[in-house]
Amino acid sequence: LAKTTQPISMDSYEGQEVNITCSHNNIATNDYITWYQQFPSQGPRFIIQGYKTKVTNEVASLFIPADRKSSTLSLPRVSLSDTAVYYCLVGGYTGRRALTFGSGTRLQVQP
Amino acid sequence: EPEVTQTPSHQVTQMGQEVILRCVPISNHLYFYWYRQILGQKVEFLVSFYNNEISEKSEIFDDQFSVERPDGSNFTLKIRSTKLEDSAMYFCASSEGLAGGSDTQYFGPGTRLTVL
Repeated sequence: LAKTTQPISMDSYEGQEVNITCSHNNIATNDYITWYQQFPSQGPRFIIQGYKTKVTNEVASLFIPADRKSSTLSLPRVSLSDTAVYYCLVGGYTGRRALTFGSGTRLQVQP
Repeated sequence: EPEVTQTPSHQVTQMGQEVILRCVPISNHLYFYWYRQILGQKVEFLVSFYNNEISEKSEIFDDQFSVERPDGSNFTLKIRSTKLEDSAMYFCASSEGLAGGSDTQYFGPGTRLTVL
């Protein structure tokens, strides 16, 4: 499984755009990149998934450069309720579906 | 929007007792999973289940643990002879079973297990 590296923590203010970058230098050809959000004492919540270029949904955008060795989760105009831990996961179905969570990025949004 | 549900939200038990945690996966999903998260630590994979049998399991998932799909909607995790270190949040997840890496897992809200 490709190892991921992301910042331990980030701070932002309400209304700002937040970009969280994840490095995954050893990403394999069939790997997808998935981001989850987790609030304290709640289950991880799927945010967005992509394979290459750019993916956008109602919550976030995911930017993946051509070499796919990194990805950036973009949260537009964050609010206090976006304060959470964000996890970047990389994997593809090679017989294993188990997700390996790292420590994630703890985003703190200030008023 | 369909979601995974779990019961109970909080379970308190005495050390040595057996507990059963229950989950209702999303209805058209084929793969089911259990994860746990000890307070302040990472989310850890326990087991995956497909076609009425275990598909994968981690080193954590030893003989103390078992899973079952007793009917068409429920998926359960049984923990026999609980230990203090079993205290954690237990999350159920499910996925459609798509081939390739795009098979997204959707998580339930969790059951907080406290072993006294």
